[in-house]
Amino acid sequence: QKEVEQDPGPLSVPEGAIVSLNCTYSNSAFQYFMWYRQYSRKGPELLMYTYSSGNKEDGRFTAQVDKSSKYISLFIRDSQPSDSATYLCAIASGTYKYIFGTGTRLKVLA
Amino acid sequence: DGGITQSPKYLFRKEGQNVTLSCEQNLNHDAMYWYRQDPGQGLRLIYYSQIVNDFQKGDIAEGYSVSREKKESFPLTVTSAQKNPTAFYLCASGSTGSNEQYFGPGTRLTVT
Repeated sequence: QKEVEQDPGPLSVPEGAIVSLNCTYSNSAFQYFMWYRQYSRKGPELLMYTYSSGNKEDGRFTAQVDKSSKYISLFIRDSQPSDSATYLCAIASGTYKYIFGTGTRLKVLA
Repeated sequence: DGGITQSPKYLFRKEGQNVTLSCEQNLNHDAMYWYRQDPGQGLRLIYYSQIVNDFQKGDIAEGYSVSREKKESFPLTVTSAQKNPTAFYLCASGSTGSNEQYFGPGTRLTVT
């Protein structure tokens, strides 16, 4: 079993839709949860960083962590064509050692 | 501008040649990392360094070498011993004690 599982997509949605992106993980020791956005042929950009369980909101983005289910989510409200990218989840149990998901490719159609 | 720079953006080499990828940051971060990204796989850690003159192997260090002589620089050498060197290489940095890592724009290496 992989430590982090992420549906590769692609996920296609109409402009304005609410997008839900998800990852599951296997090790309950993980406490730090990150979401990155990566445009084609570019480096990943840190979107959200959360510690332990709960929600965190930043503009149109909400990160949610459910440690009891080992499940993390990123919600994008009012999705825009510019949100079309690959979204990577990353988890860590301490500093320095990230485990990355394979990424979900999102296409927002105008 | 603060940030992480990687050069070159594209690199082409013949099999059997060593090649060095550059990574520089002016964020005053102590920690720096090298990852490799292949289609359908998550980012895999090659090497990381928490402090100048010290570095540790990641999950896939074989065929790679690094140095950390300056805080702002962490070059990666892909040696001829690396069996499948063609990939997208990403450098990242972060503050000591923080789990936030910030990435550079990447270098796409093609070896033929």
